[in-house]
Amino acid sequence: DAGVTQSPTHLIKTRGQQVTLRCSPKSGHDTVSWYQQALGQGPQFIFQYYEEEERQRGNFPDRFSGHQFPNYSSELNVNALLLGDSALYLCASRPGLAGSGAQYFGPGTRLLVL
Amino acid sequence: GIQVEQSPPDLILQEGANSTLRCNFSDSVNNLQWFHQNPWGQLINLFYIPSGTKQNGRLSATTVATERYSLLYISSSQTTDSGVYFCAVERTNTGKLIFGQGTTLQVKP
Repeated sequence: DAGVTQSPTHLIKTRGQQVTLRCSPKSGHDTVSWYQQALGQGPQFIFQYYEEEERQRGNFPDRFSGHQFPNYSSELNVNALLLGDSALYLCASRPGLAGSGAQYFGPGTRLLVL
Repeated sequence: GIQVEQSPPDLILQEGANSTLRCNFSDSVNNLQWFHQNPWGQLINLFYIPSGTKQNGRLSATTVATERYSLLYISSSQTTDSGVYFCAVERTNTGKLIFGQGTTLQVKP
């Protein structure tokens, strides 16, 4: 039973560029959430996708956008990268939109913006 | 919004010692999870425990939802227990986890 997978593991970009991160949920899970973790901080919720729609959004600018595909996998896109976007980006999945049940996290993508 | 506070922020133990990590939250929740983040950044699920007590080997957790706190117990600590421990809560039907700032644990041989 495969867990949550993310790609790439590491990424280096320069200011102003755009980046796309990818996530495949745990088998049997249909809801995907994205989190940003800055150094020394706890993860911060970016947004959640279910049935290919954004269902919840945290306090992040419109430069952060996403997509969910029919196979439940998801992408996180960040446009016009800033130095402050350097962080560990984590994807989580769960079965069902909300309510009870644990969320499971992938290994993350480390993004460095120079 | 809901606040999540973890204590202590840092903890240094000798191998074999026991410890208790605490998580306080400011409002009612329907989901509470404890995670261990390893040095490579992976968040490992320890417990899904919105209420009650659970045990898994040397680890156990208790959540008292009515008093809005949860405790994580680590017994006979090992060097591999080192890392950051996060508590995260979810309000009913929001779908998003709100994390505390974490407790950084260092276990010395």
